[in-house]
Amino acid sequence: DTGVSQDPRHKITKRGQNVTFRCDPISEHNRLYWYRQTLGQGPEFLTYFQNEAQLEKSRLLSDRFSAERPKGSFSTLEIQRTEQGDSAMYLCASSFGWGTDYNSPLHFGNGTRLTVT
Amino acid sequence: KQEVTQIPAALSVPEGENLVLNCSFTDSAIYNLQWFRQDPGKGLTSLLLIQSSQREQTSGRLNASLDKSSGRSTLYIAASQPGDSATYLCAVKNLNSGYALNFGKGTSLLVTP
Repeated sequence: DTGVSQDPRHKITKRGQNVTFRCDPISEHNRLYWYRQTLGQGPEFLTYFQNEAQLEKSRLLSDRFSAERPKGSFSTLEIQRTEQGDSAMYLCASSFGWGTDYNSPLHFGNGTRLTVT
Repeated sequence: KQEVTQIPAALSVPEGENLVLNCSFTDSAIYNLQWFRQDPGKGLTSLLLIQSSQREQTSGRLNASLDKSSGRSTLYIAASQPGDSATYLCAVKNLNSGYALNFGKGTSLLVTP
């Protein structure tokens, strides 16, 4: 168990550019989540995958945001035409569970810190 | 909409003290409640998960309680150590509304030697 891995750790980009983040969950975990956290706030939910299916997207996930989990393993989060308000820590989490059982704790990665200048 | 509030926002205690962190939530129809620890610039580490049917969970020096009807949870840390310094966040999974965890803003704890 190597934990949840996120890449890159830091990303600085200019407004209007596109960025893509990668998350590698714990290998046997079928559930994957993306959250966004700004300074002094708790994480805010962005989206949820069960295996390769994206089952929920938050209203925070505007049409500039897209997430994929093509083979039910790693996931990518892309932000197009970045804005300064997108500056935040983007956190990925994974867990294992079946059906309606959501009592497995989430394991978080160390996040990708995005700065939009 | 579930609102999660954590009090206090910050706390400083001398090493060895026992302490209590508080979490309250507005909608009692929850599936579970989790407590996390976050070190600066890092991700979150799950400490304890309390299912809605449970009243408390314990792990080492940590004890978390849940009073679902009153919308409250507490995290008790016994014999605090400088290594306990971190931000502690509570998060609630609602019973019938999606897959998200709803987080509080956290309590920033400093344990001084």
